[in-house]
Amino acid sequence: DVVMTQTPVSLPVSLGGQASISCRSSQSLVHSNGNTYLHWYLQKPGQSPQLLIYRVSNRFSGVPDRFSGSGSGTDFTLKISRVEPEDLGDYYCLQSTHFPRTFGGGTKLELK
Amino acid sequence: EVKLLESGGGLVQPGGSMRLSCAASGFTFTDFYMNWIRQPAGKAPEWLGFIRNKANGYTTEYNPSVKGRFTISRDNTQNMLYLQMNTLRAEDTATYYCASESVRAFAYWGQGTLVTVSS
Repeated sequence: DVVMTQTPVSLPVSLGGQASISCRSSQSLVHSNGNTYLHWYLQKPGQSPQLLIYRVSNRFSGVPDRFSGSGSGTDFTLKISRVEPEDLGDYYCLQSTHFPRTFGGGTKLELK
Repeated sequence: EVKLLESGGGLVQPGGSMRLSCAASGFTFTDFYMNWIRQPAGKAPEWLGFIRNKANGYTTEYNPSVKGRFTISRDNTQNMLYLQMNTLRAEDTATYYCASESVRAFAYWGQGTLVTVSS
């Protein structure tokens, strides 16, 4: 299985500040069709995960432009600028290039 | 509006079976791959498997961790997705989610249903 390693595990932030989360995969996530299937999710307390970013850098419907994704190959980053209270929760990366699809271990974004 | 609503969770004894359901609405059900994902309390989600759409013959793929014990099916006349779980173990205790797929991402999720495997 492709192992997805997220860092940090916990990320204290100040409201209005910036946050950066790293996700590294044990294999390249470039599919044979040329696409890279790396996605980012936010799970707010007591809720289901919600899709933020798909295919590395594309914001899903309704996601504010404070969220941005970047990266390639095995190394990916999610950045959140101007952190707001509704951004707090657990962030997960997901790869769907290889079977089985695998999630990262998660990063908890919390108030400093 | 896309809506996914899971049901069928509860308490089951080790070695027992359970079938989860997911009612879908707000989109053309047959056009989409449908997934099951589970999440133990306090842990990361785990993908269990999916069933493809009409264009791809409704075939299935599973995580090896559950292959042979879990079966995914769909009733396209009722817009329903199912997860049949057999020979359940304590480690299968989790919240189970159904999710529709778009661009190979789990775009929409249900609210989840809790399965507890315990004697």
